[in-house]
Amino acid sequence: NAGVTQTPKFQVLKTGQSMTLQCAQDMNHNSMYWYRQDPGMGLRLIYYSASEGTTDKGEVPNGYNVSRLNKREFSLRLESAAPSQTSVYFCASSRQGGYGYTFGSGTRLTVV
Amino acid sequence: GQQVMQIPQYQHVQEGEDFTTYCNSSTTLSNIQWYKQRPGGHPVFLIQLVKSGEVKKQKRLTFQFGEAKKNSSLHITATQTTDVGTYFCAGAGSGNTGKLIFGQGTTLQVKP
Repeated sequence: NAGVTQTPKFQVLKTGQSMTLQCAQDMNHNSMYWYRQDPGMGLRLIYYSASEGTTDKGEVPNGYNVSRLNKREFSLRLESAAPSQTSVYFCASSRQGGYGYTFGSGTRLTVV
Repeated sequence: GQQVMQIPQYQHVQEGEDFTTYCNSSTTLSNIQWYKQRPGGHPVFLIQLVKSGEVKKQKRLTFQFGEAKKNSSLHITATQTTDVGTYFCAGAGSGNTGKLIFGQGTTLQVKP
């Protein structure tokens, strides 16, 4: 059982470049989430999808867009990367209601 | 918006000593969850507390949910080097979106 798979694991972007972070889960979970982790800031919610076909903003959505492609996949897009978006990005999924998130292994993104 | 504060930010203990981390929410929570993140890893779900005043134990770990459902604590008895990592609390508000707001985390170092 793979759980939650994130790609890529590492990425370096130049300011202004765009990229999409991919996330897929094989646990038949309804809900999926994107968080970013910065030192001393904990995990901050960027966007979430409570169920297939819905997406909503979290705490820090500016500069990001998401797509819930199907029940399994939830992607995060940076249209014009900025150095402030240097972070570790985690995708997570859960049953409806958010019980017990399963996290992916993360994407370490550096914007120079 | 909902905020979750966690203290202390760091804790260094000698192996065998006890450890406690505290979590406080600005709003009443429907449930609170605890996660552990090993260095370089991703958060892993430990437990969920739902009821006012609830206490749950997992071996040497004791989790409590406050009577007002706005605070929680995690206590580790007789720490071991395997307990090293960052412990996060995460609060769920009302509604059934499943989204969690994470505290900043407490990083535990254990000296052998």
